[in-house]
Amino acid sequence: DAGITQSPRHKVTETGTPVTLRCHQTENHRYMYWYRQDPGHGLRLIHYSYGVKDTDKGEVSDGYSVSRSKTEDFLLTLESATSSQTSVYFCAISDEGVNGYTFGSGTRLTVV
Amino acid sequence: QKEVEQDPGPLSVPEGAIVSLNCTYSNSAFQYFMWYRQYSRKGPELLMYTYSSGNKEDGRFTAQVDKSSKYISLFIRDSQPSDSATYLCAMSAPGGFKTIFGAGTRLFVKA
Repeated sequence: DAGITQSPRHKVTETGTPVTLRCHQTENHRYMYWYRQDPGHGLRLIHYSYGVKDTDKGEVSDGYSVSRSKTEDFLLTLESATSSQTSVYFCAISDEGVNGYTFGSGTRLTVV
Repeated sequence: QKEVEQDPGPLSVPEGAIVSLNCTYSNSAFQYFMWYRQYSRKGPELLMYTYSSGNKEDGRFTAQVDKSSKYISLFIRDSQPSDSATYLCAMSAPGGFKTIFGAGTRLFVKA
């Protein structure tokens, strides 16, 4: 997706290990978001950022932390991965708060 | 009760049919309404964006918002096989940072 990239695209990790997902944007947008997508639940907000070093929790933030030290990068860390965190993770960016996002291609994470 | 309800489908229609996709919601504070299209193994892409009530048309797509009924719709005219995807409704309130998404409806358009 133009202007926003996620890495890695796929990852398999073991229960109890830390995992960091990266979102990188070239659009200089202020707002960045991490969502997870699961069957039957749709997209659920994990954390979001409204500026460098400014972050807040979403509805499913337990077990996750984020950092944003530069406008272009937003990192999502699973401190100690659990099987319930097996999911597809999407990063999104916006230049006007909630009104229309651009999503990345997603990271498919499997915790075994 | 979820804030946003969306029938997951799947919905299967023949090519050329008019498709109607719908969502209901419970939060009367929602003012911004969006539809996203998501192809398999891809990220969602913004399709339509509407503020408050009324209709908005873009090519073969029409979005409708009925705030009195807390009901939004997306109509696709002359549906094509390339329209086969999952359609997600989304909505948000003014002054907030969070957008709430429906679970998505899977649409199949048969050639």
